[in-house]
Amino acid sequence: KNQVEQSPQSLIILEGKNCTLQCNYTVSPFSNLRWYKQDTGRGPVSLTIMTFSENTKSNGRYTATLDADTKQSSLHITASQLSDSASYICVVSFTGTASKLTFGTGTRLQVTL
Amino acid sequence: NAGVMQNPRHLVRRRGQEARLRCSPMKGHSHVYWYRQLPEEGLKFMVYLQKENIIDESGMPKERFSAEFPKEGPSILRIQQVVRGDSAAYFCASSPIPTDSGNTIYFGEGSWLTVV
Repeated sequence: KNQVEQSPQSLIILEGKNCTLQCNYTVSPFSNLRWYKQDTGRGPVSLTIMTFSENTKSNGRYTATLDADTKQSSLHITASQLSDSASYICVVSFTGTASKLTFGTGTRLQVTL
Repeated sequence: NAGVMQNPRHLVRRRGQEARLRCSPMKGHSHVYWYRQLPEEGLKFMVYLQKENIIDESGMPKERFSAEFPKEGPSILRIQQVVRGDSAAYFCASSPIPTDSGNTIYFGEGSWLTVV
């Protein structure tokens, strides 16, 4: 069964600090991996998309890495801000399936003063 | 260019009633996806539609749920005879091409269904 697992489930950090969120997947064959940010009560917003040939992708203070050999991805957030408080969701797409994205359950990040 | 528009944002239904959720994709997008998010769970794929066609409904419950994307107008997710277990957030997303092309898909803000 194709799965996407994320860790930690939740994380609290001080404003200005960095953090790294992890994602392991078993989806095969793999097409692309996405990270989304979801604020409470809102829809997910795309942060990065990486194909299997890409190792890293940045979007401002967000940097995603991908190791397709070990089926692991990470999302690094630099100099966190209060507005970064949200759930961060790792999403994987199968090759040849136009529709199904497999979502992780997310890491809930809280940034405090 | 407006984003993906969903309505209603919040809907309360009594058990046994029908719920209709509407989704207008972004302009120029002909691919629409519905996802369901139960409390404390990740989003789960339900159905993928293109104009007037259901492409993949493998995530849809076999009974009571249906979806359409007519030639004119929004996509509709219909839930008949709702039960408490249908209480969830229903998200619609759209894209100009299929998702396995590595393109961004855009999500609406969701419709929160509460069954009492």
